[in-house]
Amino acid sequence: ETGVTQTPRHLVMGMTNKKSLKCEQHLGHNAMYWYKQSAKKPLELMFVYNFKEQTENNSVPSRFSPECPNSSHLFLHLHTLQPEDSALYLCASSQDTGQGYEQYFGPGTRLTVT
Amino acid sequence: TQLLEQSPQFLSIQEGENLTVYCNSSSVFSSLQWYRQEPGEGPVLLVTVVTGGEVKKLKRLTFQFGDARKDSSLHITAAQPGDTGLYLCAGAPTGNQFYFGTGTSLTVIP
Repeated sequence: ETGVTQTPRHLVMGMTNKKSLKCEQHLGHNAMYWYKQSAKKPLELMFVYNFKEQTENNSVPSRFSPECPNSSHLFLHLHTLQPEDSALYLCASSQDTGQGYEQYFGPGTRLTVT
Repeated sequence: TQLLEQSPQFLSIQEGENLTVYCNSSSVFSSLQWYRQEPGEGPVLLVTVVTGGEVKKLKRLTFQFGDARKDSSLHITAAQPGDTGLYLCAGAPTGNQFYFGTGTSLTVIP
């Protein structure tokens, strides 16, 4: 295993479902991120974790709930989503937070909410 | 209103041609990054620029940071099909958070 992996790669869920996205990094990094990428919109930072502690929450609705049990794993728990939440959800990691640290992205989970 | 505007939004060129894509803002950035994202993959960092007027080269790619640190350009010489992808710029006004542009989708036709 190398880099940052995300599962599942594709997910279709109804508005009443509960699902979770998983991210795992094999780089020994301390910081992990969730981003949302929608068509024709900039990549949006959702959450930042550093040493398992959440350091950023960019006004994300509570129907998105992150969990970081350790520095290698990051989850995004989803419940009662809306169709406009359909997007590519990207996970990233870096050695630490800060502008000098390169972020490594996973391949993303393509989420469709029906 | 978006912090970073990228242009053009779409670009389709023949192999061997040169091209320039732009990243503009009214804000000053302490640093700016360029990424390339291929279909089905996450973005991959190409370069970080931090000094106004700075020019960095990565093989056939030339990156320039504006003197006022509000804009940047990416020039590709003799484009190849392998250059196809979504090019994203990301700027950090202050602090640690980078804000991304909407990207330029480049297609290089063999």
